[in-house]
Amino acid sequence: EPEVTQTPSHQVTQMGQEVILRCVPISNHLYFYWYRQILGQKVEFLVSFYNNEISEKSEIFDDQFSVERPDGSNFTLKIRSTKLEDSAMYFCASSEASLSETQYFGPGTRLLVL
Amino acid sequence: RKEVEQDPGPFNVPEGATVAFNCTYSNSASQSFFWYRQDCRKEPKLLMSVYSSGNEDGRFTAQLNRASQYISLLIRDSKLSDSATYLCVVTKNAGNMLTFGGGTRLMVKP
Repeated sequence: EPEVTQTPSHQVTQMGQEVILRCVPISNHLYFYWYRQILGQKVEFLVSFYNNEISEKSEIFDDQFSVERPDGSNFTLKIRSTKLEDSAMYFCASSEASLSETQYFGPGTRLLVL
Repeated sequence: RKEVEQDPGPFNVPEGATVAFNCTYSNSASQSFFWYRQDCRKEPKLLMSVYSSGNEDGRFTAQLNRASQYISLLIRDSKLSDSATYLCVVTKNAGNMLTFGGGTRLMVKP
């Protein structure tokens, strides 16, 4: 069964450093998402991406965040200057089409900012 | 008011029990509704979509009441493997971002 993959599984970084989280969505999917989950809290939407551009973003997704699809398979989330409060599990998801189609989640990257 | 509200639990039930979870949502224009399951430190996985007519998948039954903005999940004949956090999820009318509730934790004991 096709699945979303994410690397790395864990990332530890110093405050102020840049991190890039990588995702490989399911191959025939067209919509890509990033969500985050701070430990003990709910899953929160960050950004959605379609046709090589951001289609929607939340208040969390400020200027420190960016997304890119550098080639035909990878989808990345960059945090330019990490803060302590960026420590969370970051989930990538993809869906075949928009609205009401199932989003499939990757296993997540656990980011710890020290 | 939270966009999607759930009782956090935990619900501690014996094997074989029937358990029901409820969820309310605040945006009356929400269009699609789901129950996801999340195991500890794992990704959310779709359990089932929820339709106005109600739908059943094996031991799981989901109901939607648009007038009351209320979603339910019923699990019959609970198994140990049902122990997880159950996430109520809705999509906003503006697009396809998922809005998650905080989850309801279920623990099924032998």
